[in-house]
Amino acid sequence: IAGITQAPTSQILAAGRRMTLRCTQDMRHNAMYWYRQDLGLGLRLIHYSNTAGTTGKGEVPDGYSVSRANTDDFPLTLASAVPSQTSVYFCASRPSWSDTQYFGPGTRLTVL
Amino acid sequence: KNQVEQSPQSLIILEGKNCTLQCNYTVSPFSNLRWYKQDTGRGPVSLTIMTFSENTKSNGRYTATLDADTKQSSLHITASQLSDSASYICVVSRGGADGLTFGKGTHLIIQP
Repeated sequence: IAGITQAPTSQILAAGRRMTLRCTQDMRHNAMYWYRQDLGLGLRLIHYSNTAGTTGKGEVPDGYSVSRANTDDFPLTLASAVPSQTSVYFCASRPSWSDTQYFGPGTRLTVL
Repeated sequence: KNQVEQSPQSLIILEGKNCTLQCNYTVSPFSNLRWYKQDTGRGPVSLTIMTFSENTKSNGRYTATLDADTKQSSLHITASQLSDSASYICVVSRGGADGLTFGKGTHLIIQP
């Protein structure tokens, strides 16, 4: 069982380019989340999904979009990357019977 | 405003020594409080979860306390080991998919 995986591990991207960060879980968790983690700011919620077919905005959603076509996958898309989106991005999932979120290993994104 | 404040920001102790990390919160309503451990370059992993009625909970050498009246929690690490070097993040839940408020974490370094 892999748990929750993210790809790529790291990426350097030119400003203005489109980028999709991938997140896949094999635990059949209903809820999934995307966070960004910046030094001195902690983890901040970007978007979330309570179940396949639904999504919601978190604390810092601007410049990001998500989709949840099925239970396992929750991709995060940056339509036109800007340097302020340089960060470490974590995907997480949560089963319906618990409040505990399980985090992926993260994607380190640098926008130049 | 819902906030979670952690102290100290960073801490260096010698292997074998004990330490206590603090978390103060103003989140309302309160559902539960978690401590997560985040190793460098990895995603956070849940250590403990405490609800309103719980005063103390242990997980091996980790003991968390909660005072819901003063809205304070602590994480005590006994007989520290090198593998305890990590960031420890306090997370308070209001309930709901986007109801988590994250602290900025305490960066703990265990020196041999």
